[in-house]
Amino acid sequence: QKEVEQNSGPLSVPEGAIASLNCTYSDRGSQSFFWYRQYSGKSPELIMFIYSNGDKEDGRFTAQLNKASQYVSLLIRDSQPSDSATYLCAVSHNNAGNMLTFGGGTRLMVKP
Amino acid sequence: GAGVSQTPSNKVTEKGKYVELRCDPISGHTALYWYRQSLGQGPEFLIYFQGTGAADDSGLPNDRFFAVRPEGSVSTLKIQRTERGDSAVYLCASSARPDPSYNEQFFGPGTRLTVL
Repeated sequence: QKEVEQNSGPLSVPEGAIASLNCTYSDRGSQSFFWYRQYSGKSPELIMFIYSNGDKEDGRFTAQLNKASQYVSLLIRDSQPSDSATYLCAVSHNNAGNMLTFGGGTRLMVKP
Repeated sequence: GAGVSQTPSNKVTEKGKYVELRCDPISGHTALYWYRQSLGQGPEFLIYFQGTGAADDSGLPNDRFFAVRPEGSVSTLKIQRTERGDSAVYLCASSARPDPSYNEQFFGPGTRLTVL
């Protein structure tokens, strides 16, 4: 069973703080890892992807991947109220037709 | 450039009716995916097209669901004899790269299906 697990939250952080979102996955065959942001009533928006162990930075966002621990995380620096949304972790499996398996999402609330 | 588009944005139907949901992917994207998202959950995979053919339909819940992509661009998801449990947001995504290891998928706005 391929599973992706996320804490549903809500995760509440003050404006300007670092928000840390975590995700674990069960299938060691997972190849690619994605973070999507989803505002209420909207569709998922791709914000980060990572394919290799280590860190990947893009502006205020940093994705971290540890394949040995089957763990991927997203850090948001200088959190803004506009970052308040649900963050979905997704993994892609090389032998599974390129489909994405999503976690249930973590709701982030950034308080002014 | 234009993103993935989906029509209709909302569809309300009665139990037992037939519905069609349309997806127009990003121009040039060869891979197209359908997902379904229920309230409070992450999207769940339904079917994947590479070009005109369904490369993976393992996520379709039963034979009431069917999808086509006859010319390798626009896709239609068809649901026969709809049931109340089919109510969800149906999301379409497309991807430019055929390489399974590099597979950024971009989502359309979704179709909210309500079966009464």
